Amino acid sequence: SYELTQPPSVSVSPGQTARITCSGDALPKQYAYWYQQKPGQAPVLVIYKDSERPSGIPERFSGSSSGTTVTLTISGVQAEDEADYYCQSADSSGTYDVVFGGGTKLTVL
Amino acid sequence: EVQLVESGGGLVQPGGSLRLSCAASGFTFSSYWMHWVRQAPGKGLVWVSRINSDGSSTSYADSVKGRFTISRDNAKNTLYLQMNSLRAEDTAVYYCASLNYQLPPRQGAFDIWGQGTMVTVSS
Repeated sequence: SYELTQPPSVSVSPGQTARITCSGDALPKQYAYWYQQKPGQAPVLVIYKDSERPSGIPERFSGSSSGTTVTLTISGVQAEDEADYYCQSADSSGTYDVVFGGGTKLTVL
Repeated sequence: EVQLVESGGGLVQPGGSLRLSCAASGFTFSSYWMHWVRQAPGKGLVWVSRINSDGSSTSYADSVKGRFTISRDNAKNTLYLQMNSLRAEDTAVYYCASLNYQLPPRQGAFDIWGQGTMVTVSS
């Protein structure tokens, strides 16, 4: 089955830039979406269609795509950004089933 | 207010059944694909199933295929998940969601999740 691969953890100091990657063979053909999840809460969409940012999401969140890898970048990380981040996409085999990456724990030191 | 509210979770014995419901309000439910996503305690998000806007097409993760059935009632703005032959590994918080991902791709950033309902499979 199709998989998306994320690093388990990323750590940065406040004010630095955090980059979280997500790799998958179908990413050149399918959009990627990024979700932020804080403990005890439902996920929140922070990036859609690779690089679009929903209203209400701070400008420090951005997304990019290159080949089979997409990247969520958080510039000027703040303490409140500490959370789990999940990429989501779909396979391109015909079923277009949704798939989530394993998640990345962002720690703000 | 745009919201999804799940119900129907609880404790069930292995081999048992449970039916989850998800009530939608504040948006045109019948226009959107709907999904169930689960999260085992301390683990990541796992997609379970999806149904298209009119209910004519469904899809399931391999782990639940043949045991779970997704359905919807657009007249009642409600999504369902019938879960049969439950196993310990089905223990999780179950979220219903209208994900931004849809075919054809939707315009805008609409994406909404419920708060989840806990399902525990244990004897």
